[in-house]
Amino acid sequence: DADVTQTPRNRITKTGKRIMLECSQTKGHDRMYWYRQDPGLGLRLIYYSFDVKDINKGEISDGYSVSRQAQAKFSLSLESAIPNQTALYFCAVGGDSGELFFGEGSRLTVL
Amino acid sequence: EDQVTQSPEALRLQEGESSSLNCSYTVSGLRGLFWYRQDPGKGPEFLFTLYSAGEEKEKERLKATLTKKESFLHITAPKPEDSATYLCAVRTMNTGFQKLVFGTGTRLLVSP
Repeated sequence: DADVTQTPRNRITKTGKRIMLECSQTKGHDRMYWYRQDPGLGLRLIYYSFDVKDINKGEISDGYSVSRQAQAKFSLSLESAIPNQTALYFCAVGGDSGELFFGEGSRLTVL
Repeated sequence: EDQVTQSPEALRLQEGESSSLNCSYTVSGLRGLFWYRQDPGKGPEFLFTLYSAGEEKEKERLKATLTKKESFLHITAPKPEDSATYLCAVRTMNTGFQKLVFGTGTRLLVSP
């Protein structure tokens, strides 16, 4: 089983709909992250959390919210999806030396 | 502002043709430089961490090196299965453990 699991892997939705992307990890680390990847723009940080009571905005948090339900679970929500939120979303877990371990990604298409 | 630039954007090699990928950085106090491999539709896979100039790390056909301004990922006698996008990222005094700053990657295609 993967150390970092994301669901769903693919989702197509319509403008204005609420979407939740879920992430769970078995690596046992506290730091968790949500990144967005767009062609030509690289990976950009949306939100990060260092523990259940610690949530922080990244560089592109507008239009997104997160919930850290447990040490191993970190969810990303789009309250009202818009087409420019179409992207590949990655959850990551921070290792002891600052490296990140990524999930397989969630491809979101907003029509 | 911390910046990471990777070159070339894309590289096509013949199997066995060695080459290097470049990652140049302008940061305020490097606290680690990371290399990742990303296959299409998959999450980035961690390869190496380098911390100080002169440091080298190796894994199979890959060797990463670090200077005060840039890092190179050397690929020796590549095989088609080495085809992927290679990402470079940095952790700095500004970012701490908050995040990594990523480059946009080099797409490598190795033909048989």
